[in-house]
Amino acid sequence: AQSVTQLGSHVSVSEGALVLLRCNYSSSVPPYLFWYVQYPNQGLQLLLKYTTGATLVKGINGFEAEFKKSETSFHLTKPSAHMSDAAEYFCAVSSTLYGGSQGNLIFGKGTKLSVKP
Amino acid sequence: GAGVSQSPRYKVAKRGQDVALRCDPISGHVSLFWYQQALGQGPEFLTYFQNEAQLDKSGLPSDRFFAERPEGSVSTLKIQRTQQEDSAVYLCASSLGGRSSGNTIYFGEGSWLTVV
Repeated sequence: AQSVTQLGSHVSVSEGALVLLRCNYSSSVPPYLFWYVQYPNQGLQLLLKYTTGATLVKGINGFEAEFKKSETSFHLTKPSAHMSDAAEYFCAVSSTLYGGSQGNLIFGKGTKLSVKP
Repeated sequence: GAGVSQSPRYKVAKRGQDVALRCDPISGHVSLFWYQQALGQGPEFLTYFQNEAQLDKSGLPSDRFFAERPEGSVSTLKIQRTQQEDSAVYLCASSLGGRSSGNTIYFGEGSWLTVV
């Protein structure tokens, strides 16, 4: 079975500071990994995803994440936080195996990012 | 349409009432998912369609929940005899290929259900 753990339900940073949101996953097969962002009263928007190939993935709004198989991690970073980055961020995993329920996205509980002026 | 469209956006139901939530996926998308997101939690899988076939309903919490996608496009999630624990945001999502293809899964803005 697959699972996702997001460390820290709330993270607060100052504007201009580094953003680091942690995600660890559990999967018995090579995973697909995703980060989604959710603004208040809105749906989920894909920030970036890892499927195969380069382990450092760049996404929208200056975010990036690195797939580290040895650490089973997929942490999300941004060098300089902006006020508009305040939102909830969800890490998700799915399976590369065709067929079966492992293809569904499994989400973490989310990390709420606050950005202080 | 340009994105996944859900209606109604907000629904208040009295306990025991039946509700129907509609999802209009991105045109041409094969896969359609329903997720339930309780307050302060991440989305949890309910059910999956590939075209009109419901291939996975393992996440439906009870037999009061029913979903259909009869023509392989629009889908409806129906909840019978609603209970307070059904209060949540119901998210619909679609993707171009089958699940496990790695295709991007696009989410709608959700239907917010409150059962009073």
